[in-house]
Amino acid sequence: SQQGEEDPQALSIQEGENATMNCSYKTSINNLQWYRQNSGRGLVHLILIRSNEREKHSGRLRVTLDTSKKSSSLLITASRAADTASYFCATAMDTGRRALTFGSGTRLQVQP
Amino acid sequence: EAQVTQNPRYLITVTGKKLTVTCSQNMNHEYMSWYRQDPGLGLRQIYYSMNVEVTDKGDVPEGYKVSRKEKRNFPLILESPSPNQTSLYFCASSLQGGRGNEQFFGPGTRLTVL
Repeated sequence: SQQGEEDPQALSIQEGENATMNCSYKTSINNLQWYRQNSGRGLVHLILIRSNEREKHSGRLRVTLDTSKKSSSLLITASRAADTASYFCATAMDTGRRALTFGSGTRLQVQP
Repeated sequence: EAQVTQNPRYLITVTGKKLTVTCSQNMNHEYMSWYRQDPGLGLRQIYYSMNVEVTDKGDVPEGYKVSRKEKRNFPLILESPSPNQTSLYFCASSLQGGRGNEQFFGPGTRLTVL
């Protein structure tokens, strides 16, 4: 079953605008990660935020985590056409041997 | 260069013809995993391995087999492929499982079963 669910499923913006994607999950987690996938290619790790963190930055990426609401958001500032990709959140739970459970992703289209 | 490699990248086969998709990583990672990706369903885990000779089922293991005889290799075996196994397959590895470390993904294998 899917642990993380992204919202929206698809997002289209103009270059230079900010893009915000949201992820909700169901159970307690150890950490939450965001990945990027260019069309038909492997996923690339973007950022990891632990359950005791509320916000994290990496370049133009800003991730927030609200464990009380079981949700996270990924903000890409000053988007570029090259940011066009699918973005997935993945949750790592506190218990169990499985590493990550992925959501179904948000498809981001950045128009030049 | 640190990487996960998969072969083949593309494969078209027929129902019932056994096939193996290879996966290899050069990062000395303990944890390896196979996913399939289908439109609208995201990535679903097929099997994973915490270390050599330790494998376990993921969400969708039916119709698949794996083995982990060496740390670097984690082949995915389809003994009798069926059309519903047409999908995009990814192998991934991480330093250790169980604590949700960053995963490194292979380039994917697009499989079509006729």
